[in-house]
Amino acid sequence: GDSVTQMEGPVTLSEEAFLTINCTYTATGYPSLFWYVQYPGEGLQLLLKATKADDKGSNKGFEATYRKETTSFHLEKGSVQVSDSAVYFCALGPIGGGADGLTFGKGTHLIIQP
Amino acid sequence: DTAVSQTPKYLVTQMGNDKSIKCEQNLGHDTMYWYKQDSKKFLKIMFSYNNKELIINETVPNRFSPKSPDKAHLNLHINSLELGDSAVYFCASSQGPGQGQETQYFGPGTRLLVL
Repeated sequence: GDSVTQMEGPVTLSEEAFLTINCTYTATGYPSLFWYVQYPGEGLQLLLKATKADDKGSNKGFEATYRKETTSFHLEKGSVQVSDSAVYFCALGPIGGGADGLTFGKGTHLIIQP
Repeated sequence: DTAVSQTPKYLVTQMGNDKSIKCEQNLGHDTMYWYKQDSKKFLKIMFSYNNKELIINETVPNRFSPKSPDKAHLNLHINSLELGDSAVYFCASSQGPGQGQETQYFGPGTRLLVL
């Protein structure tokens, strides 16, 4: 079945460091891909998405590119802030956009130190 | 202005009790979902409803019963609560099934603790 693999962390960085969180997926077909962020004690917020190969999603300085050839959707940010500390989830959507749920990775806990 | 809301936010109860969690969305979406997040933060789909009709039920015990009184609401009723039901339950909604409509928007979660 479909699956998502992402680095679990925790990932600890200093403020203003460059961030990469790796995400690879296995799917039959070409699903939409998502990054969600969960701040402590809160729900999931959509961070960015890409719906087809070579699409780049971006938001709040974060970006990720849908790479069909490597089945990856790595999350990057050039300069992280303390306020970026959260758990980040990579997810893939149902093939063909059906009413199935998202398939999530296990989440990456990111800690940014001042 | 809350897009997807859930009540209650926290729920502490005894084993064997029956409880309900309510979810409402004001986005005009056709599809709603329930997810369970375990203590390790892993998220798994439980149910999805499209226009009040059950679409998927992912190996969830019969003690869990979703109910959708209308398109904007999807409630989750849990009978005979067990210790293993302790988790955070998230409601979500999307515009529909269909390519490009599958982006899901999540509620704030209900933190259930069974003692």
